[in-house]
Amino acid sequence: NAGVTQTPKFQVLKTGQSMTLQCAQDMNHNSMYWYRQDPGMGLRLIYYSASEGTTDKGEVPNGYNVSRLNKREFSLRLESAAPSQTSVYFCASSDGGRGQPQHFGDGTRLSIL
Amino acid sequence: LAKTTQPISMDSYEGQEVNITCSHNNIATNDYITWYQQFPSQGPRFIIQGYKTKVTNEVASLFIPADRKSSTLSLPRVSLSDTAVYYCLLRGDDKIIFGKGTRLHILP
Repeated sequence: NAGVTQTPKFQVLKTGQSMTLQCAQDMNHNSMYWYRQDPGMGLRLIYYSASEGTTDKGEVPNGYNVSRLNKREFSLRLESAAPSQTSVYFCASSDGGRGQPQHFGDGTRLSIL
Repeated sequence: LAKTTQPISMDSYEGQEVNITCSHNNIATNDYITWYQQFPSQGPRFIIQGYKTKVTNEVASLFIPADRKSSTLSLPRVSLSDTAVYYCLLRGDDKIIFGKGTRLHILP
């Protein structure tokens, strides 16, 4: 049972480049989340998805887009990367419509030069 | 969403009981209190959750007074492997907010 899998684990981008962070869960959870974590900070919610085809903005959605095409996968896209988006990105899932993120992936470390 | 306040860091020794207190003065009626643990280079891991009084599982205990304006995570007989950041947060709906957490350092 893999839980929540994120790819890639590490990525370096140049300012202005675009990329998509992938997340997949194999626990049949309804809810999925994208967070970012900056040094010495807690996690901040970027986007949330309560179910397939639905998404909702979190605390810091600017500069990001998300896609929940099916129950298993939730992707995060940076259309034009900026140095301020250098961070560790975590995907998470939970099994209830009102559930907290129960299972986290191990993160994607993204550096933007 | 109500804010939580917890100590920035704590030190303790192996074998000791560690109590981390979290303040949440503006907790809402439907908020649950949830604690996570995060090791370096890993995602947070759910530890325990409660609404009122006391909750215990195989990892920790959570004490919540009647007014629910604070809560205490209790880790019995800690070991070096309990060195991590511990987050207290409130869950009232699908959106929750992590604070900066408490960095717990266990010494030999």
